[in-house]
Amino acid sequence: SAVISQKPSRDICQRGTSLTIQCQVDSQVTMMFWYRQQPGQSLTLIATANQGSEATYESGFVIDKFPISRPNLTFSTLTVSNMSPEDSSIYLCSGEGTVTYNEQFFGPGTRLTVL
Amino acid sequence: EDKVVQSPLSLVVHEGDTVTLNCSYEVTNFRSLLWYKQEKKAPTFLFMLTSSGIEKKSGRLSSILDKKELFSILNITATQTGDSAVYLCAFITGGGNKLTFGTGTQLKVEL
Repeated sequence: SAVISQKPSRDICQRGTSLTIQCQVDSQVTMMFWYRQQPGQSLTLIATANQGSEATYESGFVIDKFPISRPNLTFSTLTVSNMSPEDSSIYLCSGEGTVTYNEQFFGPGTRLTVL
Repeated sequence: EDKVVQSPLSLVVHEGDTVTLNCSYEVTNFRSLLWYKQEKKAPTFLFMLTSSGIEKKSGRLSSILDKKELFSILNITATQTGDSAVYLCAFITGGGNKLTFGTGTQLKVEL
């Protein structure tokens, strides 16, 4: 299975600032995804990071708030812009498995606290 | 709208017990059901089920899918404290590969 790393692992940020989260996969994957997990909740998909084109956002998430880059098949970034306390969550990236189609593996997550 | 319900929401058992976790669903264009274990942050992949009636097994864990009655179960036998986690089921539907997650079952295994 692919190994996925994320940076930073956690951060505490001030309201109104932005944070960029990096996601690195140790092998090429076709699909990469960004999820949010708010306290006590399950995972919610933010967007699909497409290599070479704009990300595909889910309902309720917009590019201005969560710009995403995917410059190649092993790397993606998610920016949380103009943060508010409601953005305090764990942010996780995932990549589609290289062995079994549709088997997604997750990075360790980034725990974000906005004051 | 797709719906995924996991039960129970939480469960406390003693080491050695056997537990059965349930995931019921109403989704359109079903493709696959996946089970994950989440201990701290990152969900860890357990099983992917596509066909009805075929049990997947890994050590003390096993899972099966019933596409007629629209549910899946995850069994854990001889539970250990290390099994304490949130267990999530998720679906892949339609033509894309995105996962829709259930709310999870919080399992706590006590000595």
